[in-house]
Amino acid sequence: GQNIDQPTEMTATEGAIVQINCTYQTSGFNGLFWYQQHAGEAPTFLSYNVLDGLEEKGRFSSFLSRSKGYSYLLLKELQMKDSASYLCAVVSNDYKLSFGAGTTVTVRA
Amino acid sequence: IAGITQAPTSQILAAGRRMTLRCTQDMRHNAMYWYRQDLGLGLRLIHYSNTAGTTGKGEVPDGYSVSRANTDDFPLTLASAVPSQTSVYFCASSESSGGLDTQYFGPGTRLTVL
Repeated sequence: GQNIDQPTEMTATEGAIVQINCTYQTSGFNGLFWYQQHAGEAPTFLSYNVLDGLEEKGRFSSFLSRSKGYSYLLLKELQMKDSASYLCAVVSNDYKLSFGAGTTVTVRA
Repeated sequence: IAGITQAPTSQILAAGRRMTLRCTQDMRHNAMYWYRQDLGLGLRLIHYSNTAGTTGKGEVPDGYSVSRANTDDFPLTLASAVPSQTSVYFCASSESSGGLDTQYFGPGTRLTVL
């Protein structure tokens, strides 16, 4: 089976930076996605990493280390609207997505 | 642009009843997926379809069936609902089935089985 771990909850202050870690042990690896999910809504795509390194997209960046089975999502200049769950998902050998349980981020004023 | 629609939005169902959750996409995507989302467990794949006319089993297929008669529609049927099937169900689609394309999710169906 697939094992994808991420913290359950994180809290940060508006304007701050938060780093959400994701470690994985899966049957093969063909890429890693991060999705954002606001309460009661559908997940929406944030980023995709397949090669080692940092991918930057505005206030959000995602990092991947394949040798360590590790990724993180970095949220900068936090805004209240960033309060949501962040889902780490790995594409394994069968080319299907396996999701972690998600990290709920709460941004406080 | 509608993207993916799901119906119903929510449903309360008596155990033992049959229920079909509907999913329609207008993006002409080849691949479609059904997930369930439970607190603390994340999204788990129930069934998928790589292209019209084909379906496959995901991680948790027992008690569910699907069909893919055309590109746009991918209904999920619970033949005889049980309380453990209480969950939020998300339909998703992607341009191809390779797993490397972004999946786009519908708004979800909240199902309660009593």
